[in-house]
Amino acid sequence: QAVVTQEPSLTVSPGGTVTLTCGSSTGIVTSGHYANWLQQKPGQVPRALIFDTSNKHSWTPTRFLGSLLGDKAALTLSGAQPEDEADYYCLLFYSGVRVFGGGTKLTVL
Amino acid sequence: QVQLQQSGPGLVKPSQTLSLTCAISGDSVSSSSAAWNWVRQSPSRGLEWLGRAYYRSRWQSDYAVSMKSRITIIPDTSKNQISLQLNSVTPEDTAVYYCASRYHDSWGQGTLVTVSS
Repeated sequence: QAVVTQEPSLTVSPGGTVTLTCGSSTGIVTSGHYANWLQQKPGQVPRALIFDTSNKHSWTPTRFLGSLLGDKAALTLSGAQPEDEADYYCLLFYSGVRVFGGGTKLTVL
Repeated sequence: QVQLQQSGPGLVKPSQTLSLTCAISGDSVSSSSAAWNWVRQSPSRGLEWLGRAYYRSRWQSDYAVSMKSRITIIPDTSKNQISLQLNSVTPEDTAVYYCASRYHDSWGQGTLVTVSS
């Protein structure tokens, strides 16, 4: 089974910009991996932010942007808010099977 | 918006079968555009995708490689629900289990399942 890798932790200043990445042990992440990004705050159910690499849900704040960056999928947060402090998980698609990354703990400080 | 309501026991004995049900409202379990995922989360393993089932002229399913020999996801069209069965559980299967919709945009409330004698 493929392994999906994320930065364990990142810190961003309020109002700042940060990019979280999502890599694959099988090689380059492409649009065919249909990357999803989810946010989870303590004690809460995960909340979907991005699907199919760059598509936002109706509730996704405009400051979140999904993309492919180099050989990885990426989630860029521009203008970080205190409420963006959370764990972020990417999910990649491998011919029907999906694999979560280990998550990135984002601190807004 | 789809709503998912989970039910099932919170305690399962080792070697037995874990069974959970996810009742769906706001969509049909057999919708040709839907898919139904099961995900679990534990402190040691983080979020773990277990599998999914969907209807495209016939019922199909995909399972995580690590689960493939033990897991079955079963649709019940009469009750509009989807069920998870995980066989031969061990304490390592202790986790919060979730059902989720195709794009993981709707989630059940989560069920903490503890595997213990």
